[in-house]
Amino acid sequence: QSVLTQPPSMSGAPGQGITISCTGSNSNIGAGYDVHWYQHLPGTVPKLLISVNNDRPSGVPDRFSGSRSGTSASLAITGLQADDEADYYCQSYDQHLSGSVVFGGGTRLTVL
Amino acid sequence: QVQLVQSGDEVKRPGASAKISCKAVGYTFSTYYIHWVRQAPGRGLEWLGVINPNGGSPTFSQMLQGRVTMTRDTSTSTVYMELSSLRPEDTGFYYCTRGLYSGDYDYWGQGTLVTVSS
Repeated sequence: QSVLTQPPSMSGAPGQGITISCTGSNSNIGAGYDVHWYQHLPGTVPKLLISVNNDRPSGVPDRFSGSRSGTSASLAITGLQADDEADYYCQSYDQHLSGSVVFGGGTRLTVL
Repeated sequence: QVQLVQSGDEVKRPGASAKISCKAVGYTFSTYYIHWVRQAPGRGLEWLGVINPNGGSPTFSQMLQGRVTMTRDTSTSTVYMELSSLRPEDTGFYYCTRGLYSGDYDYWGQGTLVTVSS
């Protein structure tokens, strides 16, 4: 059971937009800790999509954007492309877990 | 360029230990924390712990307390993670990654597959 909750799977057609949610609590996202998002393609290493203050690292297209509200955060992807098909993870920090980084359980995105 | 270079894949018997290295290349070793993250087959990413290259005690996931150690060698910009009393459920890819104390991982090692099997 992950500290951060994500939907296990989502799907969308090419060109459409989707939003992946990440629900936490007052000890992590709700406490104001940054939320980061990673894309993990099979056979590769995870890639940082959303950095501090919802910024995108160099090379990440502006089709990807992060937002937050209260104890939740979201990753929005617009204009879905076939190579967006991957696992997506949110990550934050939890102040009640002895200084622990926490990940969401991951969302498998299928581009139909 | 920035790289985190990990040691090779390992096959271990249950109860044994595995020690993985992670060499930082292309940046000042002292400026980023090194974290360890693993992914078991069919599972998500799991944070294992963090070490400060400047010193101090590492911080570990409560799930691994007592079985994991992390050390650093500043002369070679290398971090080591050792996991003891291995179980089959410890099988998976182990990644080192650099970032802030709270995460934000911009570079990752290539991954080390640890297989625990009798």
